[in-house]
Amino acid sequence: DIQLTQSPSFLSASVGDRVTITCRASQGISSFLAWYQQKPGKAPNFLIYPASTLQSGVPSKFSGSGSGTEFTLTISSLQPEDSATYYCQQFDNYPYTFGQGTKLEIK
Amino acid sequence: EVQLVESGGGLVKPGGSLRLSCAASGFTFSTYSMNWVRQAPGQGLEWVSSISTSSSYIYYADSVKGRFTISRDNAKNSLYLQMTSLRAEDTAVYYCARDAWPGPFDYWGQGALVTVSS
Repeated sequence: DIQLTQSPSFLSASVGDRVTITCRASQGISSFLAWYQQKPGKAPNFLIYPASTLQSGVPSKFSGSGSGTEFTLTISSLQPEDSATYYCQQFDNYPYTFGQGTKLEIK
Repeated sequence: EVQLVESGGGLVKPGGSLRLSCAASGFTFSTYSMNWVRQAPGQGLEWVSSISTSSSYIYYADSVKGRFTISRDNAKNSLYLQMTSLRAEDTAVYYCARDAWPGPFDYWGQGALVTVSS
């Protein structure tokens, strides 16, 4: 199975900051990686796939990059509504594993 | 508007069974692979199972293989998850998710809570 490791697990940042979350795959997955945002009590919301393509309607403050085994999600100009847990997920092979999540707190 | 609505969750005793349903609307259900994803309380997301458009290809996480069965009825625009031999560790919110194969899961339901407890 392909393991996805996100770092950091927790991130605290201020309004207006830019943050980067990393997702590392245990083996190469080309660009078959998606990013999701999940707020408490809600279903995940799809942001980016593959790797760097923003879903329609997602603000351009979100960006993704990477291929192979290392991927990043960058969120710029942080606002209070960006407070959420962010997950990566690979689609290279079953099982479609998720990273463990990165909880972003806005100070 | 794409909508996925899960139902069938509830409290069940260890060793018991439960069947989840997911009613789909707003898109041509028969042309999309579908999935179940679960989230234990306070934990991350775990992919559970996938089913292809015509049910020809079915995949399960090792944690549920042999106990859970995914199925779909394209005529009824519905996805199902039959869960048997339930364990406490199966307690979670179960989401159905549409799969723009191969990935991503572009639409999700609101989730159905399954609690396995005596």
